[in-house]
Amino acid sequence: NAGVTQTPKFRVLKTGQSMTLLCAQDMNHEYMYWYRQDPGMGLRLIHYSVGEGTTAKGEVPDGYNVSRLKKQNFLLGLESAAPSQTSVYFCASSYPRGGRAYNEQFFGPGTRLTVL
Amino acid sequence: AQTVTQSQPEMSVQEAETVTLSCTYDTSESNYYLFWYKQPPSRQMILVIRQEAYKQQNATENRFSVNFQKAAKSFSLKISDSQLGDTAMYFCAFWGGSNYKLTFGKGTLLTVNP
Repeated sequence: NAGVTQTPKFRVLKTGQSMTLLCAQDMNHEYMYWYRQDPGMGLRLIHYSVGEGTTAKGEVPDGYNVSRLKKQNFLLGLESAAPSQTSVYFCASSYPRGGRAYNEQFFGPGTRLTVL
Repeated sequence: AQTVTQSQPEMSVQEAETVTLSCTYDTSESNYYLFWYKQPPSRQMILVIRQEAYKQQNATENRFSVNFQKAAKSFSLKISDSQLGDTAMYFCAFWGGSNYKLTFGKGTLLTVNP
């Protein structure tokens, strides 16, 4: 049981390049999330998904796209990377208990992305 | 919209002593959950403790306990017998309503000194 895994762990991009971050969970969780963490800002939600085939915008969605084609995977895409997207990206998943969204969110180890 | 405020960007404590981290929040929800997450230098986010708003009793987990003051919208974390391994960034987080997401504070960097 690997929990939540993220690929890659580190990446350096040049401005304008594109890339996809992969999040995978093996806990059969319904909900998945992408956050970014910047110094002094805490974690801010980029996009989230409440089930396979569904996605929704979070607090800071601009410049990112996501897809949830399979329940266990949640992809975060940067079509044209910008230096402002230099950050640490975290994926998380949770299972809604009793029909509510809350349950403990399990976090991946993070991806450090630098855009030059 | 909910907001979470951690007013102490950095704190330090001597090993074996007790330290309290502050968190306040703002919400119009009546039922919600509050959390403290720990992020050590490894960067991994670890759930430390959880409080359900409808429970009056303060949550405790070994050396970690909370002081939950619902009327004051305050949720502080007390760490007793601090250990070097407690050195980390601590985030207070709020979940409430049907928006499916956690709202995080900006964090408090705690350093435990030998």
